[in-house]
Amino acid sequence: AQSVAQPEDQVNVAEGNPLTVKCTYSVSGNPYLFWYVQYPNRGLQFLLKYITGDNLVKGSYGFEAEFNKSQTSFHLKKPSALVSDSALYFCAARFNTNAGKSTFGDGTTLTVKP
Amino acid sequence: GAGVSQSPRYKVAKRGQDVALRCDPISGHVSLFWYQQALGQGPEFLTYFQNEAQLDKSGLPSDRFFAERPEGSVSTLKIQRTQQEDSAVYLCASSLGFALSYEQYFGPGTRLTVT
Repeated sequence: AQSVAQPEDQVNVAEGNPLTVKCTYSVSGNPYLFWYVQYPNRGLQFLLKYITGDNLVKGSYGFEAEFNKSQTSFHLKKPSALVSDSALYFCAARFNTNAGKSTFGDGTTLTVKP
Repeated sequence: GAGVSQSPRYKVAKRGQDVALRCDPISGHVSLFWYQQALGQGPEFLTYFQNEAQLDKSGLPSDRFFAERPEGSVSTLKIQRTQQEDSAVYLCASSLGFALSYEQYFGPGTRLTVT
């Protein structure tokens, strides 16, 4: 079955430090990979996506993510964290073997401390 | 511009009641998705429409769940004879096109509590 895993429920970093939020996916066809962010009392917002091409993709608010096919990973990164980055982050995948369905990870809560 | 809207935002139903949850997608978005999100978990796929056609309903947990999008715009998710395990946040999302590469735009969700 197709699946997405976010191995860390919680990530804590100090403001100004780099951050990484991890995501791995099961191998089944060619995945289209997405990161979404959810702030309290707000809907999920799109951050970035990997479709094809360059393995490093850049998105909103200075975030980027690296697609690694051999490790089946799509980790979210930011060189310098801000307190305002504190939120719940979801990794999601769509596979070309199942066109409609999107599979989400269980989310990682990022806390950036001043 | 207006994003995806959902109504009601909160719904409390007694066990056995029927409920209807509404989703207004972004104007012009052809794809529409419904998800169920339990506390502490990621969204779980329920169903997917391209315009008015329901192309995938593999995620609907039982035949008590029914979704429609008759004119290819507004969608309604109906749950008959609600059970306590139906308590969750129901999310609607839309996307501009059919392709897998399109990102989804989410509404704020409807929190359903079945007592």
